[in-house]
Amino acid sequence: GAVVSQHPSRVICKSGTSVKIECRSLDFQATTMFWYRQFPKQSLMLMATSNEGSKATYEQGVEKDKFLINHASLTLSTLTVTSAHPEDSSFYICSATPSGTQYFGPGTRLLVL
Amino acid sequence: LAKTTQPISMDSYEGQEVNITCSHNNIATNDYITWYQQFPSQGPRFIIQGYKTKVTNEVASLFIPADRKSSTLSLPRVSLSDTAVYYCLVGDTRGSTLGRLYFGRGTQLTVWP
Repeated sequence: GAVVSQHPSRVICKSGTSVKIECRSLDFQATTMFWYRQFPKQSLMLMATSNEGSKATYEQGVEKDKFLINHASLTLSTLTVTSAHPEDSSFYICSATPSGTQYFGPGTRLLVL
Repeated sequence: LAKTTQPISMDSYEGQEVNITCSHNNIATNDYITWYQQFPSQGPRFIIQGYKTKVTNEVASLFIPADRKSSTLSLPRVSLSDTAVYYCLVGDTRGSTLGRLYFGRGTQLTVWP
């Protein structure tokens, strides 16, 4: 299957700082990628759709000024959590599809102190 | 997107066959049924996808009745390493802008020795 990577795998930051998470499709090009967030013992929640060359589409209730998404190339999407707070601590996962089936990255564990 | 209903949890013993059923009464004509497996602190892993009748791959089988209002994931001879959360998703994953996936609570499968 297709491979999606994320970097970093885990990050710890201080409250008020910004954190960037990268999502890469390693063996295919993806005009669209998706970002999810998962809190402990809960299911994945779709945050936004990242579109190459255009603005991201955010799900209802997700602050687009807080979660900045950039999809500058066909293999890379980045999620920046701006002015992070402890409540932003979560597991962030991206996905992409080469042909209709979504493949997920390994996730990034964010801890905001 | 069609809402799905799955059992919250299931238990099994090593070597047994496990069948997890998912209800999706409002499935649309263009929707596919996809199952994912997720281990703690990892991104979901694609298991199998189907549209109708039966699909089989090296790890599982997917049974879909004619009305497509439900589906059953069958895992033959499970092992301890199959302990995970299994998600059933329904959607038109073939179109990039329609590839958004909305996860339900999933089924926690626990395999005992």
